[in-house]
Amino acid sequence: AAGVIQSPRHLIKEKRETATLKCYPIPRHDTVYWYQQGPGQDPQFLISFYEKMQSDKGSIPDRFSAQQFSDYHSELNMSSLELGDSALYFCASTRGIAYNEQFFGPGTRLTVL
Amino acid sequence: KQEVTQIPAALSVPEGENLVLNCSFTDSAIYNLQWFRQDPGKGLTSLLLIQSSQREQTSGRLNASLDKSSGRSTLYIAASQPGDSATYLCAVPYGGATNKLIFGTGTLLAVQP
Repeated sequence: AAGVIQSPRHLIKEKRETATLKCYPIPRHDTVYWYQQGPGQDPQFLISFYEKMQSDKGSIPDRFSAQQFSDYHSELNMSSLELGDSALYFCASTRGIAYNEQFFGPGTRLTVL
Repeated sequence: KQEVTQIPAALSVPEGENLVLNCSFTDSAIYNLQWFRQDPGKGLTSLLLIQSSQREQTSGRLNASLDKSSGRSTLYIAASQPGDSATYLCAVPYGGATNKLIFGTGTLLAVQP
């Protein structure tokens, strides 16, 4: 069965650079969630989209922005990167806005030097 | 504010043992609870989703129970194997109409051969 695809899987950036993370949800899934997992921490919700509109927002820095496109894939843009942004970034998808099971991608490991 | 905690934080058992992982949540008004497995540096694999109307959910050697009134869920793993070694996370959707997940602190399980 098709799973959530994230690219790139690994990304190394310098401080103050920009990074773009991509997420391709499971086919027919219209809802995407982004989570950030710091070293030794549990995942924290960043932002979500339903039917290409932002549906919820968590503790996402103003330096970060995201959107969902017409094909339902989503991109997380991160600017002015800081050392503290080094983390594993997960995308999850589900169908609809109701309380359905979320399926997670393999994550993008971002390292900021 | 919903808080999710897991006990124990780490567990080491010999192969073949049956074991129980615990998850507690402070707000019992949940719609469901999801258990995940995470291998080191890897993505989140959904193991079981148990709806608020259910008491138990089973998948192979895994059995999850839910007691909303007491704010507790348990994940029972039968006949543990070294391949079960991973971090186990529970998560509940919380906060508004969207399905964003609040994760527990995780239990790091090591099954010794």
